[in-house]
Amino acid sequence: KAGVTQTPRYLIKTRGQQVTLSCSPISGHRSVSWYQQTPGQGLQFLFEYFSETQRNKGNFPGRFSGRQFSNSRSEMNVSTLELGDSALYLCASSLGGGSEQYFGPGTRLTVT
Amino acid sequence: GIQVEQSPPDLILQEGANSTLRCNFSDSVNNLQWFHQNPWGQLINLFYIPSGTKQNGRLSATTVATERYSLLYISSSQTTDSGVYFCAVDPFFTGANSKLTFGKGITLSVRP
Repeated sequence: KAGVTQTPRYLIKTRGQQVTLSCSPISGHRSVSWYQQTPGQGLQFLFEYFSETQRNKGNFPGRFSGRQFSNSRSEMNVSTLELGDSALYLCASSLGGGSEQYFGPGTRLTVT
Repeated sequence: GIQVEQSPPDLILQEGANSTLRCNFSDSVNNLQWFHQNPWGQLINLFYIPSGTKQNGRLSATTVATERYSLLYISSSQTTDSGVYFCAVDPFFTGANSKLTFGKGITLSVRP
């Protein structure tokens, strides 16, 4: 069974631009969650989608948004990028309801 | 929200030694997972263990849900065990949602 995949793996953007990251979950998993990892704040939950509905959202500004498609693939978008958005963005998939989460390799975003 | 504390923050071992990593959490949980983050940033699943004891080779884990802590045991450590170990919990009050709260991690260095 293929694991969670994320594209792109690396990205360099400039302040003010926007970016879209993609995540394909494990086949059969309907829950996709996104996390941000920075040296200062550690790993923080961004949001979770299940069957195309956002079920949970972390404490991030509205510049961070996401969506999920009918095939469970998910995208997250960050608009008006700031230097502080530089981070490793990790996507996880699961069956939902507190079940085990499996993480993708991450997208490393650098904002200059 | 739920608090997750991991200790010790750093651990240096000689190859072959045993170690115990601890995770304390402040509320009831649906899910508790231990991860090892590889040098490229990917979170590798070690255990899904909301309660009880599990073993996988040289690694084992125990979660005492009533006392709100979990322990990860590494026996006969190898240099390849080096890296950061995270404990993450999914609070009980999120119900069917999935939202992992991570500890700050434990950095393990195994010396040859």
